[in-house]
Amino acid sequence: GNSVTQMEGPVTLSEEAFLTINCTYTATGYPSLFWYVQYPGEGLQLLLKATKADDKGSNKGFEATYRKETTSFHLEKGSVQVSDSAVYFCALSVGDAGGTSYGKLTFGQGTILTVHP
Amino acid sequence: DAGITQSPRHKVTETGTPVTLRCHQTENHRYMYWYRQDPGHGLRLIHYSYGVKDTDKGEVSDGYSVSRSKTEDFLLTLESATSSQTSVYFCAISDVGSGNTEAFFGQGTRLTVV
Repeated sequence: GNSVTQMEGPVTLSEEAFLTINCTYTATGYPSLFWYVQYPGEGLQLLLKATKADDKGSNKGFEATYRKETTSFHLEKGSVQVSDSAVYFCALSVGDAGGTSYGKLTFGQGTILTVHP
Repeated sequence: DAGITQSPRHKVTETGTPVTLRCHQTENHRYMYWYRQDPGHGLRLIHYSYGVKDTDKGEVSDGYSVSRSKTEDFLLTLESATSSQTSVYFCAISDVGSGNTEAFFGQGTRLTVV
């Protein structure tokens, strides 16, 4: 089956520090990969995505590269801000045997990021 | 923000009682989903719908049923609530059922079963 594994959290950083959140996956077929972010008291929102190997997704200073050879999609940001404090989820979606995925997502367990001034 | 409304936002119920959560969308998206969020598990898919009256089970469907009689509404029912169903429930929508399409999430319903 499909699965996503994220690094254990929580992660606590000082403002302007470098951030890496590791994500690895197992999947049947060729998945699309996503990072979603959840701010306190809110639902999830898409941060970035990559749909094929070697694609780089980027948004708001965050980046992640789809690495097929290592089955990874690590999230990075060069300089975090207090406003980046949130829970980050790595996720994937894979088509079924009929070629339709219905957009179903498989999530990692989430990583809580806290950034201090 | 995508037009997704979940109701209620918070609910406390007793073990053994039926509970229905509602998801309403104004985006006319074809696909709708119910996920539950639990510490250490991320989000897990309960049920999903790919059209009116077309639904299927997800990873953790036991104890849950769904219905979709209109494009805009997707109901999740716990026939007889148990303490293990205490969780935060999220509805999501998507306009295309391909793997590379963004899903939009509601704000969640916090359900406590006592």
